[in-house]
Amino acid sequence: EVQLVESGGGLVQPGGSLRLSCAASGFTFRTYRMHWVRQVPGKGLVCLSYINGDGSDTTYADSVKGRFTISRDNAKNTLYLQMNSLRAEDTAIYYCVTDLIVGATGATNYWGQGTLVTVSS
Amino acid sequence: EIVMTQSPATLSVSPGERATLSCRASQSVSSNLAWYQQKPGQAPRLLIYGASTRATGIPARFSGSGSGTEFTLTISSLQSEDFAVYHCQQYNNWPSTFGQGTKVEIK
Repeated sequence: EVQLVESGGGLVQPGGSLRLSCAASGFTFRTYRMHWVRQVPGKGLVCLSYINGDGSDTTYADSVKGRFTISRDNAKNTLYLQMNSLRAEDTAIYYCVTDLIVGATGATNYWGQGTLVTVSS
Repeated sequence: EIVMTQSPATLSVSPGERATLSCRASQSVSSNLAWYQQKPGQAPRLLIYGASTRATGIPARFSGSGSGTEFTLTISSLQSEDFAVYHCQQYNNWPSTFGQGTKVEIK
């Protein structure tokens, strides 16, 4: 069974930093691109960043470029999001998401349960 | 950035009725369009990818159609568990972008 468990969210002051983690299990983590998506509660979803399977290629949305860094440790089956220079508008639930995974009965992607980041003084 | 516009914002439907949700892209996304269902307090769940392919475990009452800039999600006969928010997402261009969601509520 595929599981993604995020951690590291919490309350941080404007200008501060947080590192989110996403522990993955139940699939061959190193072979899949992984994504970070965020959602202000009650609002729409926003794609922030993705990283390829071996970590050699990363891409960012303009809103977080230069402030956030995505990385992965395939030995630990863990995805990370280092968030620096946090702003009030970064307040949201952050999800880690797999790329499409093809199985015996079809394909789907998987989402973690989300971790809430609140940026406030 | 491609803007995804969903309509209507809220759809009131009786159980057993058909629901039709629309999603429009500001430029062509080919068939690189997904639909998600999201219930309160939960992460989104993938329903459809490639505009019309159901994801693993998704009931046949969910169907997707369209290509280019106009897409439709149809729920043929609404069940109680289908009342939720539905999001479309284009993944043809980076950044991948979502619509603002359509809430399907009980009439």
